[in-house]
Amino acid sequence: EAGVVQSPRYKIIEKKQPVAFWCNPISGHNTLYWYLQNLGQGPELLIRYENEEAVDDSQLPKDRFSAERLKGVDSTLKIQPAELGDSAVYLCASSLESGVSYNEQFFGPGTRLTVL
Amino acid sequence: GQNIDQPTEMTATEGAIVQINCTYQTSGFNGLFWYQQHAGEAPTFLSYNVLDGLEEKGRFSSFLSRSKGYSYLLLKELQMKDSASYLCALMDSNYQLIWGAGTKLIIKP
Repeated sequence: EAGVVQSPRYKIIEKKQPVAFWCNPISGHNTLYWYLQNLGQGPELLIRYENEEAVDDSQLPKDRFSAERLKGVDSTLKIQPAELGDSAVYLCASSLESGVSYNEQFFGPGTRLTVL
Repeated sequence: GQNIDQPTEMTATEGAIVQINCTYQTSGFNGLFWYQQHAGEAPTFLSYNVLDGLEEKGRFSSFLSRSKGYSYLLLKELQMKDSASYLCALMDSNYQLIWGAGTKLIIKP
């Protein structure tokens, strides 16, 4: 079974430029998460989708970040414009469902973003 | 609110046993997870505890005491490949995972 796929793996951009990350979750997983992880820290949730609906985006900086999951499968996370502080690893994860106690999340390899 | 504490870094010797502690404060609790994350890689699931007690899975065991807000991950017969960060994550009343900063475990020969 294929795992969570993310692309690109690495991205270097100059500040004020736009950037987009793509995620394909495990087949059949209804719940998709985007996390941000800084070095030496745990993941921080940006947004959670149940199928195509964003059910938790309270931590998403909506002035510059946007996300979509149009058909309830693939998802794209965009930053426009990027700032120096956005340099981090962006992780995508998926799970069968949410709203249950035992909810193992499967992570993709992440996209390491460097903003110069 | 929620708060999770775990040591920043630990060092252990190959073949030995190490215990990584995690303490938490939360108003709602739906389980505690441990994940392993090798440098530059994604976190991978290790264990889940929702009831008090010890869950054993091969060389790894995880313990939970809900009354004390305390969990630990026990790694036995340490191998060099166990060098990684170990993340404690709490599932809150909204079924959202709240992550600790992780404990970097260094294994020495």
